[in-house]
Amino acid sequence: QSVLTQPPSASGTPGQRVTISCSGSSSNIGSNTVNWYQQLPGTAPKLLIYSNNQRPSGVPDRFSGSKSGNTASLTISGLQAEDEADYYCAAWDDSLNGRVFGGGTKLTVL
Amino acid sequence: QVQLQQWGAGLLKPSETLSLTCAVYGGSFSGYYWSWIRQPPGKGLEWIGEINHSGSTNYNPSLKSRVTISVDTSKNQFSLKLSSVTAADTAVYYCARGSTDHIVVVPAASYLDYWGQGTLVTVSS
Repeated sequence: QSVLTQPPSASGTPGQRVTISCSGSSSNIGSNTVNWYQQLPGTAPKLLIYSNNQRPSGVPDRFSGSKSGNTASLTISGLQAEDEADYYCAAWDDSLNGRVFGGGTKLTVL
Repeated sequence: QVQLQQWGAGLLKPSETLSLTCAVYGGSFSGYYWSWIRQPPGKGLEWIGEINHSGSTNYNPSLKSRVTISVDTSKNQFSLKLSSVTAADTAVYYCARGSTDHIVVVPAASYLDYWGQGTLVTVSS
């Protein structure tokens, strides 16, 4: 059971907009920044969004992040076939004094 | 370009100690936190712990009693030891760098921006 809760799966067709949620508590998302990671099959995770809504250099602006209260969201606009991957949210948990991850969301591009 | 290269034994027997090392190339070693994360086959990511160049550590409470993370600043390397392994410790283990936009890296405000290639560790009798 992960500390952060994500839907196990999401899907969309090319060009669509998809949003993945990440629910936590006041000790993690509510008080610290949220980061998102993309993991393509058979590869290491890659930083996709940091500090709630910042994109690292090289990440397309189709990817955006937001946070409100104890919930964060990752939105992918203009979905592309290459976006098919697992997505993980993460944050620091003050109660556990450590990093926590969501269980991951498998995104399928139909 | 920062690169993290990791290595270690890939097959262990129950009760043995897992040992992995991660070397950092192409960037500063100080001023960051250095993490270990694992991923059991077909499952999600689990943070194991982290260390900074001064040796200050944070560990996952669920693994703390069995984990030791150490650093060798002379070689720009950090290492993971996990004792008394069982089949439940079978996973791909990753090393990663914790960064921040602030002058001083505060773990709570940091993100993992560079990752190693991963090492599959299998525990089987």
